[in-house]
Amino acid sequence: AQKVTQAQTEISVVEKEDVTLDCVYETRDTTYYLFWYKQPPSGELVFLIRRNSFDEQNEISGRYSWNFQKSTSSFNFTITASQVVDSAVYFCALSEALPHGGSQGNLIFGKGTKLSVKP
Amino acid sequence: DTEVTQTPKHLVMGMTNKKSLKCEQHMGHRAMYWYKQKAKKPPELMFVYSYEKLSINESVPSRFSPECPNSSLLNLHLHALQPEDSALYLCASSQGTTVSQPQHFGDGTRLSIL
Repeated sequence: AQKVTQAQTEISVVEKEDVTLDCVYETRDTTYYLFWYKQPPSGELVFLIRRNSFDEQNEISGRYSWNFQKSTSSFNFTITASQVVDSAVYFCALSEALPHGGSQGNLIFGKGTKLSVKP
Repeated sequence: DTEVTQTPKHLVMGMTNKKSLKCEQHMGHRAMYWYKQKAKKPPELMFVYSYEKLSINESVPSRFSPECPNSSLLNLHLHALQPEDSALYLCASSQGTTVSQPQHFGDGTRLSIL
């Protein structure tokens, strides 16, 4: 069954520290997509990145970087030099094809990791 | 600012009231979604509209009634809700409904049922 595990419920760091958020997934599909979303206290889920199952290149966007390892079914997210504005709940999600929806996608979310960055 | 706009941002209603949540997007997306999110939990999918037609209903009680008047608008009509329905309701849209499409979310409506 499709599943996303974010083992870290809460992480607290001091500003400028680097922090890595872990994500492990399970899927039977050979083609799938992984996503990271940020949810600040305001409630909006902000799309950060999408990665497909055939692209294992790591990606860097400013202070954010992602490490996709198919061999360990992991898609970890690192924030370098964290800032107070990074404080939020971060969700990792897997997009699966719904059996009754053909190729229709459905996001399977992990339980989220609450990151607190203290000044 | 989010490109998916939800109104109202907060709603308090009694169990006998009828109210509606509204969602609007102008990105030309053809798929729209309603999610329910309880505190400290991930979002749970409720409904999916694809090209203005309801394509997925994840066994949601009939006291929640979705409506898609056009490709930019999505409503969620509420009637006779229960206290356990208090949650953050998130609307999202995507270009299509295939597995590859990222969903873009609104700020949500925080609903409290008295």
